Amino acid sequence: DAKTTQPPSMDCAEGRAANLPCNHSTISGNEYVYWYRQIHSQGPQYIIHGLKNNETNEMASLIITEDRKSSTLILPHATLRDTAVYYCIVRVRLASGSRLTFGEGTQLTVNP
Amino acid sequence: EAEVAQSPRYKITEKSQAVAFWCDPISGHATLYWYRQILGQGPELLVQFQDESVVDDSQLPKDRFSAERLKGVDSTLKIQPAELGDSAMYLCASSIRGGAGTSNEQFFGPGTRLTVL
Repeated sequence: DAKTTQPPSMDCAEGRAANLPCNHSTISGNEYVYWYRQIHSQGPQYIIHGLKNNETNEMASLIITEDRKSSTLILPHATLRDTAVYYCIVRVRLASGSRLTFGEGTQLTVNP
Repeated sequence: EAEVAQSPRYKITEKSQAVAFWCDPISGHATLYWYRQILGQGPELLVQFQDESVVDDSQLPKDRFSAERLKGVDSTLKIQPAELGDSAMYLCASSIRGGAGTSNEQFFGPGTRLTVL
């Protein structure tokens, strides 16, 4: 699986958009970009994933650059409960499932 | 909403003792994963099951760790003997049998925090 690079920490004001960047310059054509987050003392939680098109769900939006070498996770209206470590992961999507290779992620702190 | 169950939530043991963790995945999920997370780091896969079969245990320290999923449902992870360096959070996750059109997202349990003294 391709490696990813994320800033170790970011701050965001409550109610504002949080934009979390991720670089994955060695991504292969069959690798997806996944985002998970981990709130303190809980297991990771799936947020969103994409291949090359931008994606949106009830939690977030995922913007993938045209060359697929980087992406941005957008939380449109951050709340205090969005404070967590956010992991950007690239992996092949296998029929039998495949491992998630976590890096150290970005600690997002949403401030009141 | 269906959840992955794990027990115990916390375990304190002395080095050289045996410990076991239990995981009950979401009903109908064929794939089960055990991850280890050391404080300050991201989770690392230890073992992956597809039904009752191990499909990836390349990162499992097999001299002291073992995992089983005998009936393809719940699973047990065992450490014997425990060492100081095994102190970590042990996370279980499950996903549906994948295929075209599925997200194959993994659902994680709350974890078991192990402290080895």
